[in-house]
Amino acid sequence: AQSVTQLDSHVSVSEGTPVLLRCNYSSSYSPSLFWYVQHPNKGLQLLLKYTSAATLVKGINGFEAEFKKSETSFHLTKPSAHMSDAAEYFCVVSLIGSQGNLIFGKGTKLSVKP
Amino acid sequence: DTGVSQDPRHKITKRGQNVTFRCDPISEHNRLYWYRQTLGQGPEFLTYFQNEAQLEKSRLLSDRFSAERPKGSFSTLEIQRTEQGDSAMYLCASRPGQGYTGELFFGEGSRLTVL
Repeated sequence: AQSVTQLDSHVSVSEGTPVLLRCNYSSSYSPSLFWYVQHPNKGLQLLLKYTSAATLVKGINGFEAEFKKSETSFHLTKPSAHMSDAAEYFCVVSLIGSQGNLIFGKGTKLSVKP
Repeated sequence: DTGVSQDPRHKITKRGQNVTFRCDPISEHNRLYWYRQTLGQGPEFLTYFQNEAQLEKSRLLSDRFSAERPKGSFSTLEIQRTEQGDSAMYLCASRPGQGYTGELFFGEGSRLTVL
């Protein structure tokens, strides 16, 4: 069965410092993986996606994620945090054979201190 | 606005009442999904449609829940005899059909509070 585990429920960084949000996945097949962001009272927005092309994926707002098959990881990074990055981040795997159904992790809340 | 829209954005109801949520997907998307998100959790899949056909339902979707997409465009999600445990954000998403391997496009959700 496919699943994702977000290793931190809450991450706090200072503005201008790097961001690392960790995600491990479990899949019997080569998965499609996504990171979504959810700002308060807003819908889910796609940050980036991995669909078996380049292992280093660049997304919006300066975020990147690297697919590491040997480590079954898909960690999200950003070199320099901005106050507007404060939000909930979800690591997501596409469920094989379920016509695009997505399995979400429990989320990591990112706080950015001035 | 050409995104996914949901209505109402907020609903407060008393236990035992029925509620209905509406979702209007992106117009060219023939797949439509419903998810539920409770506090502190990621969204959980409820059901999805391809055009007007409901092709998959989660075991989370109890008999009190019914979803329809009668003309293959907008969809409704009805909850009968609401319980306090139904309090959650109900998210709708859409995507193009077969052959598309990308993301889902989400609406802003309908937040349900059952008193």
